[in-house]
Amino acid sequence: LAKTTQPISMDSYEGQEVNITCSHNNIATNDYITWYQQFPSQGPRFIIQGYKTKVTNEVASLFIPADRKSSTLSLPRVSLSDTAVYYCLVGDPLENAGNMLTFGGGTRLMVKP
Amino acid sequence: GAGVSQTPSNKVTEKGKYVELRCDPISGHTALYWYRQSLGQGPEFLIYFQGTGAADDSGLPNDRFFAVRPEGSVSTLKIQRTERGDSAVYLCASSLNDRANEQFFGPGTRLTVL
Repeated sequence: LAKTTQPISMDSYEGQEVNITCSHNNIATNDYITWYQQFPSQGPRFIIQGYKTKVTNEVASLFIPADRKSSTLSLPRVSLSDTAVYYCLVGDPLENAGNMLTFGGGTRLMVKP
Repeated sequence: GAGVSQTPSNKVTEKGKYVELRCDPISGHTALYWYRQSLGQGPEFLIYFQGTGAADDSGLPNDRFFAVRPEGSVSTLKIQRTERGDSAVYLCASSLNDRANEQFFGPGTRLTVL
């Protein structure tokens, strides 16, 4: 079971790039890395998923080094509305069991004006 | 299109009572998940359905918790003899197939046990 470790909280300012790193030292060969965002009083929202190297979509980029023991979610030019909790999940989507669906404590990002 | 909906949005009950929480997944999504989230913590996996069957119920904390999905669409989470420690937000999510690549979450039901 790949355990993840993230910073509990981070502060940033509007317009800055924010990088949130997740450690997953015992990631397995078939595991993917998935990030979710959660606003207060809402369910989590899928942001991005990747297996290796770099993945980019309209919201964020995900950087995964060759050893895959960590990953970094990059949010370009954050705004106040990006204030949320960000969760890193690691697991095998083909397994789709509890180990894929462990959210952990997340990183609470506060964006200041 | 419509997202995942959950009813009720809030439920207040007394210790020892029975409650049912309902989840309507996105139409066509075969996989459905239930989570529980306590204040300041991440969602905790409870149970996962693929179609009508519970593919993984390893997260259910004890036998007071039970969930069904009789027709492979709507699901009901049932909690018997509620305890104060059951107070939490119960989240439901669905995904298109049996690969948890992208789950779509509902707004949750806030359960308060007095």
